[in-house]
Amino acid sequence: NAGVTQTPKFRVLKTGQSMTLLCAQDMNHEYMYWYRQDPGMGLRLIHYSVGEGTTAKGEVPDGYNVSRLKKQNFLLGLESAAPSQTSVYFCASSRRAGGEQYFGPGTRLTVT
Amino acid sequence: GIQVEQSPPDLILQEGANSTLRCNFSDSVNNLQWFHQNPWGQLINLFYIPSGTKQNGRLSATTVATERYSLLYISSSQTTDSGVYFCAVGSADSNYQLIWGAGTKLIIKP
Repeated sequence: NAGVTQTPKFRVLKTGQSMTLLCAQDMNHEYMYWYRQDPGMGLRLIHYSVGEGTTAKGEVPDGYNVSRLKKQNFLLGLESAAPSQTSVYFCASSRRAGGEQYFGPGTRLTVT
Repeated sequence: GIQVEQSPPDLILQEGANSTLRCNFSDSVNNLQWFHQNPWGQLINLFYIPSGTKQNGRLSATTVATERYSLLYISSSQTTDSGVYFCAVGSADSNYQLIWGAGTKLIIKP
């Protein structure tokens, strides 16, 4: 099992550009999450999904969109990147609500 | 919302030492997890422990939900234990959302 994978690992964008981050999990988990981590801080939830075809807003959703067309995949989109979105992005999944969360390796995004 | 405080913020120890990391939270929780972020950034789930005590090798954790704190014990520290330890909690009102502490940065010197 690969667990949770994320692509790409690194990306540099110019202000105003768009991109999509892909998260995939092979554990048949229902719940998936996107977080961001800024220097010296814990993680903050951007969006999450409780099952295929569902999405919901987390703590810091502005400037991001998500889609969960397939159970194993959760996509995070930035339509018009801003320097404030420079961060490390982590995807996670869990079997149930409030269950143990398993994390991908992260994507380091820099917006100039 | 729930506030999560971790202490100490930084800890430097010699290899072989024991340590106790603390997580205080401001309201009732039904989900508490401890994570280790290694120096390469990978997050590993150590314990799912909303209450009680669990042990896994040299690591153990105790959560006293009624007093709103959790402790992570690391015994006989090794250099591979270095990294940042995070506590994250979820409330009954919003079970999907984990609220994260700022972490304890642990450095183990050989």
